[in-house]
Amino acid sequence: DTAVSQTPKYLVTQMGNDKSIKCEQNLGHDTMYWYKQDSKKFLKIMFSYNNKELIINETVPNRFSPKSPDKAHLNLHINSLELGDSAVYFCASSQSGSDSPLHFGNGTRLTVT
Amino acid sequence: KQEVTQIPAALSVPEGENLVLNCSFTDSAIYNLQWFRQDPGKGLTSLLLIQSSQREQTSGRLNASLDKSSGRSTLYIAASQPGDSATYLCAVPQGGKLIFGQGTELSVKP
Repeated sequence: DTAVSQTPKYLVTQMGNDKSIKCEQNLGHDTMYWYKQDSKKFLKIMFSYNNKELIINETVPNRFSPKSPDKAHLNLHINSLELGDSAVYFCASSQSGSDSPLHFGNGTRLTVT
Repeated sequence: KQEVTQIPAALSVPEGENLVLNCSFTDSAIYNLQWFRQDPGKGLTSLLLIQSSQREQTSGRLNASLDKSSGRSTLYIAASQPGDSATYLCAVPQGGKLIFGQGTELSVKP
């Protein structure tokens, strides 16, 4: 009954491959996010979707393509993976227009070799 | 551009101590501030959310204060326990997204 669930938890792949991370929330929130946490634990937003519409794209390389089939799902596809893409990727959700806190998934640790 | 800083980066205390974690932000035009906890290998859990109109917010042994004019927030943890060991992050909203500090890694020794 996890509120925000993302899969897989771990992802190890080689440079140049294409991979996807999936995220689902069952909180009824209308806004979902992807955050990246680097090796220094610095957490930075990548994308934000509200009701399936992209509202924030934070200067992320176009190798990263988010897709939101409905407001409960936000997937992240990464093409031509690079070593520098290694990080922990967190999905999160919230309800817009309110001060409800952000709810995070447990993260996907991506390692590119 | 909003910048959020947390000091110290790491803190180790014996069990039972009261402690204070600090968070500062450069743009005081915020409407709330959140404190999160992150356990190793896990996502972030929201601990407290303080509205800009509030001075403090309490939950159990945690008390968060907010001073917008000085651009500071503190998280006070009373009677610390080993289970409090985690990384604590503060964040403020800007332009529909949260700007995070780099966190304070807390270790409470039994």
